[in-house]
Amino acid sequence: KAGVTQTPRYLIKTRGQQVTLSCSPISGHRSVSWYQQTPGQGLQFLFEYFSETQRNKGNFPGRFSGRQFSNSRSEMNVSTLELGDSALYLCASSSLTGGQTEAFFGQGTRLTVV
Amino acid sequence: GQQLNQSPQSMFIQEGEDVSMNCTSSSIFNTWLWYKQDPGEGPVLLIALYKAGELTSNGRLTAQFGITRKDSFLNISASIPSDVGIYFCAGRYNTNAGKSTFGDGTTLTVKP
Repeated sequence: KAGVTQTPRYLIKTRGQQVTLSCSPISGHRSVSWYQQTPGQGLQFLFEYFSETQRNKGNFPGRFSGRQFSNSRSEMNVSTLELGDSALYLCASSSLTGGQTEAFFGQGTRLTVV
Repeated sequence: GQQLNQSPQSMFIQEGEDVSMNCTSSSIFNTWLWYKQDPGEGPVLLIALYKAGELTSNGRLTAQFGITRKDSFLNISASIPSDVGIYFCAGRYNTNAGKSTFGDGTTLTVKP
């Protein structure tokens, strides 16, 4: 069974630009969560999608948005990039069936804003 | 909101020693998860705990879900150099949702 796939692995963008990151969850998993990881703030929850609906949202500005498609693949978008958005963005997929709620992470997308 | 305190922040140990780290929460969780992260990679799930008092092992790793549901610990026995990395605890309150709250991590260094 393939794991969680995130693309691209690395990205360099300029301040003010926008960026879209992609996540393909484990086959059969319907929940996709996104996290931002920075050295100073650790792993911070961005949002969770389940069956194409956003179910939970963290404390991030509206510049951060996401969506989920019918095949459970998810994208997150950051508009008007700021230097502070430089981070490792991690996607986690969960089955959420049968009481098993483990989250499995992808390798992440390393975003650098210059 | 929910806060997770993970300690210690870092550990420097000799190969072969046992390691213990823990997480405490200001509120209860219904699931505790322990992850290990290597540089430049995503966290890898080590152990998942679903019941208060549950003790679960994965090879040399043992984790427990505290009785109060506000804490969990992870033990690593007979450490080896490849145990080096950052260990994170994560808690979930709602077992039907994908949102987890993470501790700040314990950085483990193992000296051969």
